[in-house]
This record gives sequence, C-alpha cells and structure tokens, in this order.
Amino acid sequence: QVQLVQSGAEVKKPGASVKVSCKASGYTFTSYYIHWVRQAPGQGLEWLGIMNPSPGSTTYSQKFQGRVTVTRDTSISTVYMELSSLKSEDTAVYFCARGGNGLDYWGRGTLVTVSS
Amino acid sequence: DIQMTQSPSTLSASVGDRVTITCRASQSITNWLAWYQQKPGKAPKLLIYKASNLESGVPSRFSGSGSGTDFTLTISSLQPDDFATYYCQQYNGFSGTFGQGTKVEIK
Repeated sequence: QVQLVQSGAEVKKPGASVKVSCKASGYTFTSYYIHWVRQAPGQGLEWLGIMNPSPGSTTYSQKFQGRVTVTRDTSISTVYMELSSLKSEDTAVYFCARGGNGLDYWGRGTLVTVSS
Repeated sequence: DIQMTQSPSTLSASVGDRVTITCRASQSITNWLAWYQQKPGKAPKLLIYKASNLESGVPSRFSGSGSGTDFTLTISSLQPDDFATYYCQQYNGFSGTFGQGTKVEIK
C-alpha cells in the first residue's frame, strides 16, 4: 500500500534551518510528484512547493522562494524539504503528499516548532 | 502564483441539509481543481479531483462541478461525519495553491 513516512518533530531556534524527510513506498517513486504543504496552529493549508522526482525539478511558492529547498534521493525513495531562516511564524505541521490526481496520499505530518 | 478564493469561511448547517461551497481561481485552471476534507489533528483527505471526479471510497453525496475559474463542492445531504473543514486546491501545471478553507459547523 502507498505510504509516505515523515521524520519526527523538530524544535529550532529563530534563524536556524530545518530539514524534513518524506520516505515513499508502495508505488514507483519517480512516477508521481511530491508536494509540501504546511498548516500553522489553527490556520489553513499553505502550499510550499512541488518536486518531480524524475528528473528532480522543483517549483516553489513565491512566498517561500529563496527560503525553501526540496531535494530527493531516488536510491531510498525519499524527498527532503529544507526551510531556512526560520521565524516563529514558521511553527507549523509540515506535510508531504503525493501528487496524483489531486494529492491522493499524505504523510502524517511533522511538527516544526520555532522558539527561542 | 494563482490565487484561490473560497467562500464562505464558515457555514452552519443541520444534518440532512444541502451544502454548497464555492472556489474561484485568479486565472483559468481548466479543470485542475481538487477538494479535500480535513478533521482536527488529521491530514487532509482527497474527495474530488479534476473538478468533478469522485475519489474512490468517497460517498456519492459529495459532488464537484465547474471549470475555468469557478468551482463548487456540493454535499447533497449533510451527515454527522461531514462536519469538518473543506479546502479547494488548484494543481494547474507544476503548482498547487489552496483556498482559505470552509468550516462546516453544526447549526
């Protein structure tokens, strides 16, 4: 069955970076896009960016351009999302999701807390 | 980025009511629109893709319509399990903006 398993919760200080992983299984990794979406406490869903694992191309939301980087390791079917220059407003649950017809499978989310 | 405007932000309804949520894109997205349901503490669940296609396993009381810039999610007869927050998302090309969400509350 399709699964997206994300890395565990992180606590970071303002100005630091965080790297969240998303390991895919149960399907051909290079055949589907991976999206990154976040949700701040009590807020809506916010789209960060997308990766096509083959050939590794990416597009980012203009809001996060220059601060977010999505990479992948095809040998272990894993996509990474790194967010730099963290601020308290970046405290959120970060989700990866498979881009089929819509976002059909989601990871369980990774809580990133930014606090001094 | 394509902007998605969803309305209303909150909707109060009773079991059995017909419910409609609208979503407007800032430019044409043809039919590259999805609808999701989210419950507290959970990842969103895909309900509708390509504007009007029901995801496998989703009850038939959910339906979607529209094309271009204007889209609608309809729940024909609201059930207790349907009280949740709903989001639209455009996935035109290599992008994926969400609407602000609609919380469906018990009246």
